[in-house]
Amino acid sequence: DGGITQSPKYLFRKEGQNVTLSCEQNLNHDAMYWYRQDPGQGLRLIYYSQIVNDFQKGDIAEGYSVSREKKESFPLTVTSAQKNPTAFYLCASSMAPNTGELFFGEGSRLTVL
Amino acid sequence: SQQGEEDPQALSIQEGENATMNCSYKTSINNLQWYRQNSGRGLVHLILIRSNEREKHSGRLRVTLDTSKKSSSLLITASRAADTASYFCAVQNDMRFGAGTRLTVKP
Repeated sequence: DGGITQSPKYLFRKEGQNVTLSCEQNLNHDAMYWYRQDPGQGLRLIYYSQIVNDFQKGDIAEGYSVSREKKESFPLTVTSAQKNPTAFYLCASSMAPNTGELFFGEGSRLTVL
Repeated sequence: SQQGEEDPQALSIQEGENATMNCSYKTSINNLQWYRQNSGRGLVHLILIRSNEREKHSGRLRVTLDTSKKSSSLLITASRAADTASYFCAVQNDMRFGAGTRLTVKP
């Protein structure tokens, strides 16, 4: 089955530790995205990548980093510089940038203790 | 940003009733999409309506688009408890979303 896989589903970390969230897709999509969602809120765009080896900052990139070394993979690192990292993180992909339907993973819930 | 804004923020209805939620935007668009998010899950694409379309149906979903008013509405007919979710619009293939409408359908 084609789709997007995020892991882990739940993650607990101590304050000050870096954390990497995995996002893998087998849809052969060029574009991938990372969003943050806080309780009862909408999605805020962290980073997006339109093609391999290229990515751009979204609206709330501070304290986060990404890489896009392979088409299928777009990992997100939540660094210790992120002031309030506890949130629900969603990864998505689309066939090409700005061409319609976004396909989402099931999310990763990060709790910083 | 071409982000759409959903209204109302929250909506509570009885099973069997219809639910209507709206999306407003500010720029000219080529298309508009609606997504659903069940609690704690990812978003799921529901329907895309193009700027040259005024109405589109998919099962119990009916979407309208009024480009002169820069607004769209999503109607869910004969709602079910399983329709309880948050609903988001996305404008012009923009990757940004508003706060969504939280729909609660009571059995």
